[in-house]
Amino acid sequence: NAGVTQTPKFRILKIGQSMTLQCTQDMNHNYMYWYRQDPGMGLKLIYYSVGAGITDKGEVPNGYNVSRSTTEDFPLRLELAAPSQTSVYFCASSPQDRGPRSNQPQHFGDGTRLSIL
Amino acid sequence: GDSVTQMEGPVTLSEEAFLTINCTYTATGYPSLFWYVQYPGEGLQLLLKATKADDKGSNKGFEATYRKETTSFHLEKGSVQVSDSAVYFCALSLMEYGNKLVFGAGTILRVKS
Repeated sequence: NAGVTQTPKFRILKIGQSMTLQCTQDMNHNYMYWYRQDPGMGLKLIYYSVGAGITDKGEVPNGYNVSRSTTEDFPLRLELAAPSQTSVYFCASSPQDRGPRSNQPQHFGDGTRLSIL
Repeated sequence: GDSVTQMEGPVTLSEEAFLTINCTYTATGYPSLFWYVQYPGEGLQLLLKATKADDKGSNKGFEATYRKETTSFHLEKGSVQVSDSAVYFCALSLMEYGNKLVFGAGTILRVKS
């Protein structure tokens, strides 16, 4: 039972390079999320998706793009890497809430540690 | 806007000491509340949750009670172990589009033997 799988685990990029962080989940969750975690800070939401073909901006979307062509996959793309994007990136997924109270936890991957030099 | 405030760390305790990590929130609606834990080198894991006022979430000896009157969700454990050393995040979620989480900054807990 893999859960949420992120690749790669570590990456070093040069300024201006581009790359895609991969995220896949095998729990058939409708909702998926990308966060970044900076030292001493909580997680900030970059983008999220409520289902295949639907994506929305979170709190800190600038410099990133996402797509959701399948339920399982939710890749995050950095087009022009900048030093400010040095961070640890987490992907998460959750089932869609069906009751009157929001109680579905999010399931997290192990993260991708990205350094931009 | 919606926000979560946690006590600053790091919190350093001896084994078997009592733990409290304070968490307060501001929300535009009626949130559900969560505690997540992050062990070194890993992603976040759900520790416990509470979805309405006066609910108590509990797991692995940790407890937190949803206090609507004081907008708080403090995490407690009666006797910590070295293996509890981790970063603890308080978070809220509103029943809205996307069911997004708002996280506190996290509190580092270090337990010494």
